Amino acid sequence: AQSVTQLDSHVSVSEGTPVLLRCNYSSSYSPSLFWYVQHPNKGLQLLLKYTSAATLVKGINGFEAEFKKSETSFHLTKPSAHMSDAAEYFCVVRTRAQKLVFGQGTRLTINP
Amino acid sequence: DTGVSQDPRHKITKRGQNVTFRCDPISEHNRLYWYRQTLGQGPEFLTYFQNEAQLEKSRLLSDRFSAERPKGSFSTLEIQRTEQGDSAMYLCASSGLAGSSYNEQFFGPGTRLTVL
Repeated sequence: AQSVTQLDSHVSVSEGTPVLLRCNYSSSYSPSLFWYVQHPNKGLQLLLKYTSAATLVKGINGFEAEFKKSETSFHLTKPSAHMSDAAEYFCVVRTRAQKLVFGQGTRLTINP
Repeated sequence: DTGVSQDPRHKITKRGQNVTFRCDPISEHNRLYWYRQTLGQGPEFLTYFQNEAQLEKSRLLSDRFSAERPKGSFSTLEIQRTEQGDSAMYLCASSGLAGSSYNEQFFGPGTRLTVL
């Protein structure tokens, strides 16, 4: 079965510093992986996706993620945090049946 | 706005009452999904439709839950005899067919259910 594990439940960074949100996946085949963001009282928004093309994936709002098969990881990064990045972030794997399996989420806090 | 819409956004009900939620997907999307998100957790899959056919149901979906998509457009999720454990955010998503160029799932704002 496919699954994802988000290694940090809460990450706190200062505005202007880099962001790293960690995710490991488990899959018996080449996975499709996603990062979604959920701002308070707003719906889930797709940040970026990996579907077996380029291993470095660029998303919206300056976010990137790198697929590393050898490490079974799909970490999300951003060079410089902005106050508006404060939100809950979910790493997600899609099953062959097209269901999404979500991680537990990482709450990102940005300190001024 | 041509995104996924859900109605109502909030629902407060008493234990034992029935509730029904509606989801309107993006118009050209064939697939429609329901997920449930409890506080502090990631969303969990409940069920999905391809056109009007319900193709899979999670074990989370007890007999008190029923979902329909009668004409392959909007969908309803009904919970009968609600329990306090049903309190959650119910999320709807839609996508194109697998293998198509638009098969990412786009989510609606959710319906927050509180059972007193």
